[in-house]
Amino acid sequence: QKEVEQNSGPLSVPEGAIASLNCTYSDRGSQSFFWYRQYSGKSPELIMFIYSNGDKEDGRFTAQLNKASQYVSLLIRDSQPSDSATYLCAALNAGNNRKLIWGLGTSLAVNP
Amino acid sequence: SAVISQKPSRDICQRGTSLTIQCQVDSQVTMMFWYRQQPGQSLTLIATANQGSEATYESGFVIDKFPISRPNLTFSTLTVSNMSPEDSSIYLCSVAGGGVVDEQFFGPGTRLTVL
Repeated sequence: QKEVEQNSGPLSVPEGAIASLNCTYSDRGSQSFFWYRQYSGKSPELIMFIYSNGDKEDGRFTAQLNKASQYVSLLIRDSQPSDSATYLCAALNAGNNRKLIWGLGTSLAVNP
Repeated sequence: SAVISQKPSRDICQRGTSLTIQCQVDSQVTMMFWYRQQPGQSLTLIATANQGSEATYESGFVIDKFPISRPNLTFSTLTVSNMSPEDSSIYLCSVAGGGVVDEQFFGPGTRLTVL
């Protein structure tokens, strides 16, 4: 069964620190990976996607992909209280009718 | 990214009744999906809405309970039929297509409470 696993947390970091969120996936056919942020009571919001090994940076966010280890991470630099949310990792296998396989999410709390 | 709206945003319904949720996108999209998210849980895919044909349902979801329509590339409906309290959840539509990697974008969701 294809799975995406995340540490449920909560992950607690002080304001200004780096938050590191991790995700592993079981399907080696997965080609693209996504990080969504979900505030309580709101719908998921796409933060970043990555499909090549290595790092991809966008502002304070860096996504990292290691296909050999089947590992994806999201780093949030200079964490702010407004980053407090649940972060969902998802994997896409193009041969899977474009369906995303979702992790259960990691709750992040950034403390002022 | 596309602008996605859902109606209603929330509703309280009596058991045994049905509710139809609408999802409207401001541009044509290839894929539309319907998800359910129960409090504190991750997303569960109900079905893929196919334009002009029957939806593709995931294991545990059936057409009689969750009929879906998609008459064109910008609109879809999900009906929750013969509701029970166990159907209380947030229902989300998402769309994909036209992006670099077919990334999905979500509507604001419909919060359903069944009494």
